[in-house]
Amino acid sequence: GQQVMQIPQYQHVQEGEDFTTYCNSSTTLSNIQWYKQRPGGHPVFLIQLVKSGEVKKQKRLTFQFGEAKKNSSLHITATQTTDVGTYFCAGDFGNEKLTFGTGTRLTIIP
Amino acid sequence: DGGITQSPKYLFRKEGQNVTLSCEQNLNHDAMYWYRQDPGQGLRLIYYSQIVNDFQKGDIAEGYSVSREKKESFPLTVTSAQKNPTAFYLCASSFGLQETQYFGPGTRLLVL
Repeated sequence: GQQVMQIPQYQHVQEGEDFTTYCNSSTTLSNIQWYKQRPGGHPVFLIQLVKSGEVKKQKRLTFQFGEAKKNSSLHITATQTTDVGTYFCAGDFGNEKLTFGTGTRLTIIP
Repeated sequence: DGGITQSPKYLFRKEGQNVTLSCEQNLNHDAMYWYRQDPGQGLRLIYYSQIVNDFQKGDIAEGYSVSREKKESFPLTVTSAQKNPTAFYLCASSFGLQETQYFGPGTRLLVL
């Protein structure tokens, strides 16, 4: 079946360091979405990327969609304690429901 | 307020019992979903429904059942056939299957 692989599974960073999570698909995606789940909470939509090579920014968060539309990344600059949580990507293969990645759990060391 | 609600927040079940988790949305979404999340793990799709009176099995449907009699409601029953039901259950909805999903606050189920 169609899968979206997400790495790393866990990431521990010192507060102020940068953080990146990656999503990869073996087949071309129509678009990709990113969600954040705070500890004890539920996933919340962050952004959607549609175009090849697209880059979008939300304050310290930078989202990229690969040229081949098979991979995506989320980069956080200068992490803060409020960034703690699990980040999920969700791929749209154009023919069915979204496929969620396995998530990257970010913890911040103060 | 528009949104998606789940009840109860916490649910305790004795072994051998069926329990039903509620999910209601007033976002006028056609599609609804149920996910299971184990501690420190990702989201696993149990069932989803694209439209009223229709639903499809997800990746881990065994031991669960659903109904979609109304657009606003998508209850999930955890049957006694589900041998390891302790988990965090999340309901979500969207306008279409490829659209942004909006999640409810979740129900934590614990088997005693």
